[in-house]
Amino acid sequence: GAVVSQHPSWVICKSGTSVKIECRSLDFQATTMFWYRQFPKQSLMLMATSNEGSKATYEQGVEKDKFLINHASLTLSTLTVTSAHPEDSSFYICSARDRGWTGNQPQHFGDGTRLSIL
Amino acid sequence: QQQVKQSPQSLIVQKGGISIINCAYENTAFDYFPWYQQFPGKGPALLIAIRPDVSEKKEGRFTISFNKSAKQFSLHIMDSQPGDSATYFCAATNSGNTPLVFGKGTRLSVIA
Repeated sequence: GAVVSQHPSWVICKSGTSVKIECRSLDFQATTMFWYRQFPKQSLMLMATSNEGSKATYEQGVEKDKFLINHASLTLSTLTVTSAHPEDSSFYICSARDRGWTGNQPQHFGDGTRLSIL
Repeated sequence: QQQVKQSPQSLIVQKGGISIINCAYENTAFDYFPWYQQFPGKGPALLIAIRPDVSEKKEGRFTISFNKSAKQFSLHIMDSQPGDSATYFCAATNSGNTPLVFGKGTRLSVIA
């Protein structure tokens, strides 16, 4: 089955540093990728949608300069949390749809990245 | 505005029992309704999904019931097992490549 690989699975860093999270579709071409944020015991909150070769579309309230998204190829999207602070600590999850998604196929999720900012 | 309402928030079921989780949606343009299972520290995994042209879909112990007129759908887990203990999310979207809209989740605990 389709696999989405997310790396790293866990990162701890100091306040003020930037952190990059990678999301790869391993056996399919992902024309659309989504980035979610999830707080403990809460649902997934959509941060942004990215289409390959285009600028990402950010949800209301999400700072595009804080959360930089790049979807440069059909198999890779990256989320960079710039100048991270403790309030950015969260579980970040990426998701991908296959090329030609028509609404009748599954959307595949990565295993998430736990980000802890000290 | 929450477009997909999920209940209950938490559920405790005896081993072997039936777990039932309900969702209601508002947007009549939705035409794809998946259920996801999430274990702690992991991403959501697709469990089962349904389109509105059928009223029920069954895969093993998992069944989705869909009521288009009421704009409701539910997940039934038959013969619930301790290994089913997880958080379950219903979701909805349409064929226009809009993002999935998630319910708030249900934490299921199956006790022996």
